[in-house]
Amino acid sequence: DTGVSQNPRHKITKRGQNVTFRCDPISEHNRLYWYRQTLGQGPEFLTYFQNEAQLEKSRLLSDRFSAERPKGSFSTLEIQRTEQGDSAMYLCCPAGGQDNEQFFGPGTRLTVL
Amino acid sequence: AQSVTQLGSHVSVSEGALVLLRCNYSSSVPPYLFWYVQYPNQGLQLLLKYTSAATLVKGINGFEAEFKKSETSFHLTKPSAHMSDAAEYFCAVSFMNTGFQKLVFGTGTRLLVSP
Repeated sequence: DTGVSQNPRHKITKRGQNVTFRCDPISEHNRLYWYRQTLGQGPEFLTYFQNEAQLEKSRLLSDRFSAERPKGSFSTLEIQRTEQGDSAMYLCCPAGGQDNEQFFGPGTRLTVL
Repeated sequence: AQSVTQLGSHVSVSEGALVLLRCNYSSSVPPYLFWYVQYPNQGLQLLLKYTSAATLVKGINGFEAEFKKSETSFHLTKPSAHMSDAAEYFCAVSFMNTGFQKLVFGTGTRLLVSP
C-alpha cells in the first residue's frame, strides 16, 4: 500500500463526454506526477507538480487535458470531449523523500466507448 | 534523451528456476534505474533502484539487479522463481535531479511461472 488513493477506480464514458479523476496522497508529498498507461505499454509521463505549481507538461497532454493541484495536496485530472484514444489507465504518483521516490497509486481505468 | 529497451515481452520459467529479465538503457547523463512490478489491476510497486551507489542492488522479494555501465544494462534476476512472482515487470530510467525527475519506462515483460 503506497498510501495513494485514486477515484474512481474505473470509469466508462461515451465519446465526447468530460471526465474528472482525483488523486489523494495520504502523506505530505510536495511533488506529484501523472502518468498514462495504455494496454501493453509502460506508463508515459503526462505532467508534474511541485506543490500547487504545474511545472512540466508532456506533449501527450493536449488542450483537452487539464490538471490541477490546489493547495498542493490532492490533484485532479480532467479530460474534455473524450476520444476513444484516451482509453487508458491514469496513474497518480506523489513523490518525496531523500531519493525523490515516486509512489504509484492504483490508477483510474478509463474506457471511452 | 533517455530510453529503455526490455528484451522479450514474455518470459516463461518453471517454479524454482532462475528468473532473468533484461533491460538496456540509453542516457546522455548518469542514470537512475528502476525496476517496478505490476500485478493485474494494480499500480506499480518499486522492486529496486540504482542511484549511483553500489552497482549490485538488492530489492524486495529476493530480486536483485546489477548496473553495468559498459553494457548499458540493468538486468533483473531472482535465483528461484515462485508462483507469486507472475506479474508484469517494468524497467525505467531517470536522472539525478532535486526536482523534476520523470520516469521513462520500457514496454514491460510479463513473467509467467509454471508449476
